[in-house]
Amino acid sequence: DAKTTQPPSMDCAEGRAANLPCNHSTISGNEYVYWYRQIHSQGPQYIIHGLKNNETNEMASLIITEDRKSSTLILPHATLRDTAVYYCIVISNTGKLIFGQGTTLQVKP
Amino acid sequence: NAGVTQTPKFQVLKTGQSMTLQCAQDMNHEYMSWYRQDPGMGLRLIHYSVGAGITDQGEVPNGYNVSRSTTEDFPLRLLSAAPSQTSVYFCASSYLSGSGYNEQFFGPGTRLTVL
Repeated sequence: DAKTTQPPSMDCAEGRAANLPCNHSTISGNEYVYWYRQIHSQGPQYIIHGLKNNETNEMASLIITEDRKSSTLILPHATLRDTAVYYCIVISNTGKLIFGQGTTLQVKP
Repeated sequence: NAGVTQTPKFQVLKTGQSMTLQCAQDMNHEYMSWYRQDPGMGLRLIHYSVGAGITDQGEVPNGYNVSRSTTEDFPLRLLSAAPSQTSVYFCASSYLSGSGYNEQFFGPGTRLTVL
């Protein structure tokens, strides 16, 4: 399973877009990019995933570069409730989620 | 649907004691897994299962046993508790599909302290 690299922390102003980067330069052709977040001490929550194309759902957008070596999670209008640790994970069809350290996003008023 | 449930929510053990953390899901998910999360750290995979009767090891399996006799349940057994096993334990489940794995649903966690 490919490893990922994320910045340890980021700040974002409330109401602005939060752009969280992730590098996964060793990703293989059949490996998906998943994003989860963990608010305080709760169980992680699924946000979005993608393979090649950009994806959007009600929570966020996922932009994957053409070479698939990096991606960006976009929260279009961050709120204080989006303050959390965000994990970028690359998994193959083994299904194992291997969590890294993630990015702590602090949304500020 | 209750989703993924875990019991107990909190547990204190003495070194050397054994116990079983329970995990159940009512979504008919094939895939289930156990993670531990130490303070300030990300989650680490302990064991996982792709269906009843099938289990495999994750990143940190030592000191833990699992079994999967039914689709719904995936208990985690601590054989002889050690202080290093003090952690928060999360159980998760998901469907399997031909196009890849789907989102995993996580339980609320069990907070274990070993004295």
